[in-house]
Amino acid sequence: EAGVTQSPTHLIKTRGQQVTLRCSPISGHTSVYWYQQALGLGLQFLLWYDEGEERNRGNFPPRFSGRQFPNYSSELNVNALELEDSALYLCASSRRQGSYNSPLHFGNGTRLTVT
Amino acid sequence: QQQVKQSPQSLIVQKGGISIINCAYENTAFDYFPWYQQFPGKGPALLIAIRPDVSEKKEGRFTISFNKSAKQFSLHIMDSQPGDSATYFCAASFNYQLIWGAGTKLIIKP
Repeated sequence: EAGVTQSPTHLIKTRGQQVTLRCSPISGHTSVYWYQQALGLGLQFLLWYDEGEERNRGNFPPRFSGRQFPNYSSELNVNALELEDSALYLCASSRRQGSYNSPLHFGNGTRLTVT
Repeated sequence: QQQVKQSPQSLIVQKGGISIINCAYENTAFDYFPWYQQFPGKGPALLIAIRPDVSEKKEGRFTISFNKSAKQFSLHIMDSQPGDSATYFCAASFNYQLIWGAGTKLIIKP
């Protein structure tokens, strides 16, 4: 079974630019989650998509947005990049968020550096 | 009330020792408590999980102890090995929301 795949693995952008990160979930998983992990810190929940709909959103400004496609893959878009957006962006998938029978499976993330 | 408090923030244990990481919660509606392990440059991976109707779950050297009345749960790593050096996250789930602890960086000294 192929795991969660994210692209690109690394990205360097300039402040004010826009970026799009991509995620392909495990086959059969309908839910996709995005997390931000600043260096050495914890997991900050960004967005949850299930069956193509945004189900929940973390405490992030509107310049963080995304979508889920009919094949359940997902994009995370960040507009007007700021230096503090530099982080590891993790995507996870599951059949249903956080339940005992459907744990989250994470990709290895996209390392975004904003200069 | 939705927080999960994890401690310690960092932990150094000698090889062969027992590593213990603790988490506490307030919301009694949480119904699923997983632990994730994250190595540098990798995403977190599910290590072990427990439901609140069970007081202990063991998988190899890893054990979750769950105290419902105290609203606490902990991860015990027996015979800790250098390969266990990683960041560990506890979490709790309610209504399809997963609330994460802040993480513990574990270093096992050879």
